Amino acid sequence: QKEVEQNSGPLSVPEGAIASLNCTYSDRVSQSFFWYRQYSGKSPELIMSIYSNGDKEDGRFTAQLNKASQYVSLLIRDSQPSDSATYLCAGQGGGTYKYIFGTGTRLKVLA
Amino acid sequence: EPEVTQTPSHQVTQMGQEVILRCVPISNHLYFYWYRQILGQKVEFLVSFYNNEISEKSEIFDDQFSVERPDGSNFTLKIRSTKLEDSAMYFCASSDRGGLDTQYFGPGTRLTVL
Repeated sequence: QKEVEQNSGPLSVPEGAIASLNCTYSDRVSQSFFWYRQYSGKSPELIMSIYSNGDKEDGRFTAQLNKASQYVSLLIRDSQPSDSATYLCAGQGGGTYKYIFGTGTRLKVLA
Repeated sequence: EPEVTQTPSHQVTQMGQEVILRCVPISNHLYFYWYRQILGQKVEFLVSFYNNEISEKSEIFDDQFSVERPDGSNFTLKIRSTKLEDSAMYFCASSDRGGLDTQYFGPGTRLTVL
């Protein structure tokens, strides 16, 4: 099993819909998790971090962590065309500070 | 808002040449990182640096790579003899305390090795 896995997409949703992005992780990555957005040719931009089981909301974004099932998800409400980007899931663990990234999910919000 | 900066934004070099990529982390941050992203692939960890020494490095970070904090503000990545496969975006990141603290990424340097 890869340490952090994401479906590469593309995930297409209509404008105004909820986009749901998922990420699973292995036992080596179990400490804390981060969602980044990356536009083509640009650097990762932090959306949210989540460390504890449950939901964490910030504006239109909600991160969900389920440690028993080893998945973390990101919901984007009222999706906008400007949300079209690649969403990177990253985890930390194994006693180190490095981030382990998934391959990213490409989101397309259709106007 | 403080941010990580990187120079140059794009570096073109010939195979076998040495390159130095420069980063200015956020001023009060203590942990520094380099990642790279080959076109179309995922972001990969290269090295982390704390208290003037390498704290962790990946298998990618072989003897051709080195990092340095030459003064109180800059953090550099040197590639001694570049290979074609070193062509990638290189991102510098910094965090305040390591651990659970968020890493903030710079805009990246696109390295093209010809």
